[in-house]
Amino acid sequence: AQSVTQLDSQVPVFEEAPVELRCNYSSSVSVYLFWYVQYPNQGLQLLLKYLSGSTLVKGINGFEAEFNKSQTSFHLRKPSVHISDTAEYFCAVSVGEYGGSQGNLIFGKGTKLSVKP
Amino acid sequence: ETGVTQTPRHLVMGMTNKKSLKCEQHLGHNAMYWYKQSAKKPLELMFVYNFKEQTENNSVPSRFSPECPNSSHLFLHLHTLQPEDSALYLCASSQDSAGGYPSYNEQFFGPGTRLTVL
Repeated sequence: AQSVTQLDSQVPVFEEAPVELRCNYSSSVSVYLFWYVQYPNQGLQLLLKYLSGSTLVKGINGFEAEFNKSQTSFHLRKPSVHISDTAEYFCAVSVGEYGGSQGNLIFGKGTKLSVKP
Repeated sequence: ETGVTQTPRHLVMGMTNKKSLKCEQHLGHNAMYWYKQSAKKPLELMFVYNFKEQTENNSVPSRFSPECPNSSHLFLHLHTLQPEDSALYLCASSQDSAGGYPSYNEQFFGPGTRLTVL
């Protein structure tokens, strides 16, 4: 069975500092990886996704993530954060083509990023 | 309206009430989902509808009853809920492929309904 672990439940950081939000997954089949962001009182919005190809994926709002198969990780990074990046970030995995349906997105518990001035 | 909309945004109900949550997607997608988001717990997939047919029911109690009359609308009927059912209920949609093969397309989420059961 697939699972996703987000190692930090909360990450405080000062404005313009770099940030890394960690995500590790476990799966016995090929996976597809996603990062979603949830701003207060809103639904989830896709930041970026890894399906295949280059292991470095660039997303919206200056975020990027790197897929590392040997370490089963998909950490999210941003070189300089803004106050507006304050939100909760969710890592998710879906099973590969031999597995279930698109509906089987397994989410981590989320990391709350708090950007302070 | 654009994207995925959900009504109501907030709902307070007693344990003996019957209410319904509504979701509508304006994206032309063919798959729709209900998720439950509770404090301190991962996002939980409840139901999946693909081409209006229910394809997933993740051991959800029968006091939650989904309905998908067409590919644009999804309802969640609630009755005799418990206080532990208080949560944010999120609807999502995606463009899934036919034949049961995943399309890997992103899921688009609505803003959610904040449900409080007294």
